[in-house]
Amino acid sequence: QKEVEQDPGPLSVPEGAIVSLNCTYSNSAFQYFMWYRQYSRKGPELLMYTYSSGNKEDGRFTAQVDKSSKYISLFIRDSQPSDSATYLCAMSVWAGGTSYGKLTFGQGTILTVHP
Amino acid sequence: DSGVTQTPKHLITATGQRVTLRCSPRSGDLSVYWYQQSLDQGLQFLIQYYNGEERAKGNILERFSAQQFPDLHSELNLSSLELGDSALYFCASSSLAGATPTPQETQYFGPGTRLLVL
Repeated sequence: QKEVEQDPGPLSVPEGAIVSLNCTYSNSAFQYFMWYRQYSRKGPELLMYTYSSGNKEDGRFTAQVDKSSKYISLFIRDSQPSDSATYLCAMSVWAGGTSYGKLTFGQGTILTVHP
Repeated sequence: DSGVTQTPKHLITATGQRVTLRCSPRSGDLSVYWYQQSLDQGLQFLIQYYNGEERAKGNILERFSAQQFPDLHSELNLSSLELGDSALYFCASSSLAGATPTPQETQYFGPGTRLLVL
């Protein structure tokens, strides 16, 4: 079983729809949660991050973490064709005063927003 | 543009061969990370170097090795290549050695090297 599970989709929605992307994880040591966006033939870029349970909002994007359920989500409001990309959740560990360089990624969800 | 450069962009080679992938981190970044992205395994961490020294190791095969040079650029060497090594190889860099989303530890990814083993 993978440490981080993410439905690869693909997900196709009309412009303006609300998109919900989700990941579950099994490692309780994960304390930092990130969402990366990857356009075709490009490297991933950091979109949002959080390190506490609850919601964090940034424009049309909301990241949600539920540590008790080991479940994280990314919501995209008023989705645009330019949001079409692969969205990867990523997690990292903090351990007693130091953090480790390894990011553990989900499989990625392919999102297409059509006009 | 993340500021991380990778060469070459594409590489086609045969089984059994050896290749070297090169990465130049963002100016001032001391950490370099290597990741492999394939359709079946997704994006997987291979290895990290911080200021010339190995810092963390993931599921890197023994046939693969990496190093970071005094000018902070890094190379990933893949030898005895197999068909299953065909993948996208990404390099990322950050200022410090951790993996939290603070500005100093955010990992910035390069455009990747697409390796095809025939």
